[in-house]
Amino acid sequence: AQKVTQAQTEISVVEKEDVTLDCVYETRDTTYYLFWYKQPPSGELVFLIRRNSFDEQNEISGRYSWNFQKSTSSFNFTITASQVVDSAVYFCALSEAITWGGYNKLIFGAGTRLAVHP
Amino acid sequence: DAMVIQNPRYQVTQFGKPVTLSCSQTLNHNVMYWYQQKSSQAPKLLFHYYDKDFNNEADTPDNFQSRRPNTSFCFLDIRSPGLGDAAMYLCATSRETLESNQPQHFGDGTRLSIL
Repeated sequence: AQKVTQAQTEISVVEKEDVTLDCVYETRDTTYYLFWYKQPPSGELVFLIRRNSFDEQNEISGRYSWNFQKSTSSFNFTITASQVVDSAVYFCALSEAITWGGYNKLIFGAGTRLAVHP
Repeated sequence: DAMVIQNPRYQVTQFGKPVTLSCSQTLNHNVMYWYQQKSSQAPKLLFHYYDKDFNNEADTPDNFQSRRPNTSFCFLDIRSPGLGDAAMYLCATSRETLESNQPQHFGDGTRLSIL
């Protein structure tokens, strides 16, 4: 069965601190996709990154970086030099590869609420 | 420049009174999804349309229905809302081909309150 675990319910940091959001997943499929979404207080889910199971390269985008490790089934997200605008709920999600008759179903973790204080 | 638009942003209805939430998209995506998100919880998929093909999640209550009259629009109908249906409803779209799992693009959501 597919499952995504975000063990950190809430994290509170002071501006400019680095923060890592953990994500651990379970799947029996060999081909799957992992996503991170940001949900600010306004409510919309904002896509941040997609990674497929065959690409274990870490990725950096500005202050954001992602560490994908298949050996530990983890896909962690780090924000460097956090800012108040980073305050949001962050969701990690898993989707198994679409096969005939299947569909792109996102399985979300419970989310991590990040509060960045001035 | 909103690409997935949900109306209204806030909806209040009475217990048992049917309500319809709407979603439109300018992305020309072939798949549209409806999610329910209760307070402090993850979004939960209710159903999705792959073009005109409707797909219901096994645990979606019969009280929830959906219509997709064309590529751009999708509606969520709640026939007899109960207090437990108060939630944020999120619409999303994606352009799918086999084994692509493209990112889903979400609207701002409609927050539904039940009196």
